[in-house]
Amino acid sequence: DSGVTQTPKHLITATGQRVTLRCSPRSGDLSVYWYQQSLDQGLQFLIQYYNGEERAKGNILERFSAQQFPDLHSELNLSSLELGDSALYFCASSGASGPSYEQYFGPGTRLTVT
Amino acid sequence: EDKVVQSPLSLVVHEGDTVTLNCSYEVTNFRSLLWYKQEKKAPTFLFMLTSSGIEKKSGRLSSILDKKELSSILNITATQTGDSAIYLCAVRDQGAQKLVFGQGTRLTINP
Repeated sequence: DSGVTQTPKHLITATGQRVTLRCSPRSGDLSVYWYQQSLDQGLQFLIQYYNGEERAKGNILERFSAQQFPDLHSELNLSSLELGDSALYFCASSGASGPSYEQYFGPGTRLTVT
Repeated sequence: EDKVVQSPLSLVVHEGDTVTLNCSYEVTNFRSLLWYKQEKKAPTFLFMLTSSGIEKKSGRLSSILDKKELSSILNITATQTGDSAIYLCAVRDQGAQKLVFGQGTRLTINP
């Protein structure tokens, strides 16, 4: 158990809908990262927050957004969902913003868009 | 653009064998290379290698970073069925916060 929690574990929804994925980092970790894992793309970085502020952005679609709250939990919002958004969404956390720190991954949320 | 390539993509061996997994990378300014093991769901952290720590060992697993060849290997000795998993290699450069992952090596250990 990495100490990173994610809810829900599974989510099934229809195209065009909007969903929110939630992540709580390990105790004391200030950085939260979101990744998407699909069969054809592998693990892709989406976005990072550090202590409430956006720190880095990857291949995140405009239909997706995220935020980190004062209690350091983070939410990833996915809207106008398409079939291609079906994937595993992971949250990871690390102790600081710098590149020396390893990231610990949560169990993931499996999103299925029908 | 940063790039990570792992080989082989798939490997099947018998219990007790020794395996070597490969990872090569291209990054603008290398900072660290990380190995993860992914079984059913979440990747679990194995090792982090940096310029100041190019060799790591934990039990039957060990990893070496070759900065000259821009590559790393992950060795697993005396393999067990519980080692069956996808092994992911990722790199981070000096400026970026993100990890760039390779496509992974699917390792299957047969009894």
